[in-house]
Amino acid sequence: DADVTQTPRNRITKTGKRIMLECSQTKGHDRMYWYRQDPGLGLRLIYYSFDVKDINKGEISDGYSVSRQAQAKFSLSLESAIPNQTALYFCATSDSGGNQPQHFGDGTRLSIL
Amino acid sequence: GQNIDQPTEMTATEGAIVQINCTYQTSGFNGLFWYQQHAGEAPTFLSYNVLDGLEEKGRFSSFLSRSKGYSYLLLKELQMKDSASYLCAVKITNAGKSTFGDGTTLTVKP
Repeated sequence: DADVTQTPRNRITKTGKRIMLECSQTKGHDRMYWYRQDPGLGLRLIYYSFDVKDINKGEISDGYSVSRQAQAKFSLSLESAIPNQTALYFCATSDSGGNQPQHFGDGTRLSIL
Repeated sequence: GQNIDQPTEMTATEGAIVQINCTYQTSGFNGLFWYQQHAGEAPTFLSYNVLDGLEEKGRFSSFLSRSKGYSYLLLKELQMKDSASYLCAVKITNAGKSTFGDGTTLTVKP
């Protein structure tokens, strides 16, 4: 079983719809992150959370919201989807500590028509 | 703002050595990570540098010069499976947030 699980893996929806992407982890990490990746580009940080009561905006948070329901669960919502939010979305986790890498889920491919 | 530069694409031959460079200008520095990402898949961790010098891990090595804002990833004895994107990421603060470069797509040819 994957340590970081994202659902759904693929989603096609229409402009204006509300969408929730879910992420759960079994690694026991406190820190969780949501990124989007557009073709040919790197990962851009949307939101991150260092524990259940901590939520922080990343570089591109407009149009997105998140909820940290438990240590193991971090969901990303698009309240009213628009076509330029079409992208590959990754959830990641990391342990605390300076040299701890991030561990990524398999991604959610989201298309908004 | 944060600025991380990597070459967009590189091509190399199976069995050869390739060096992928990363230069950065960031508001803080608490370490530099390299990740590998095969097309359509999740990034996976390759290496971490926080002090100047070379870190070696099998066929892969990573170098850091903090004074120059420069790192490179060295891949030896290239294999076809090394064809992937390589992402450089700078950890900006002690709190764990990182900024990623756009990645270098490496194609290994027979």
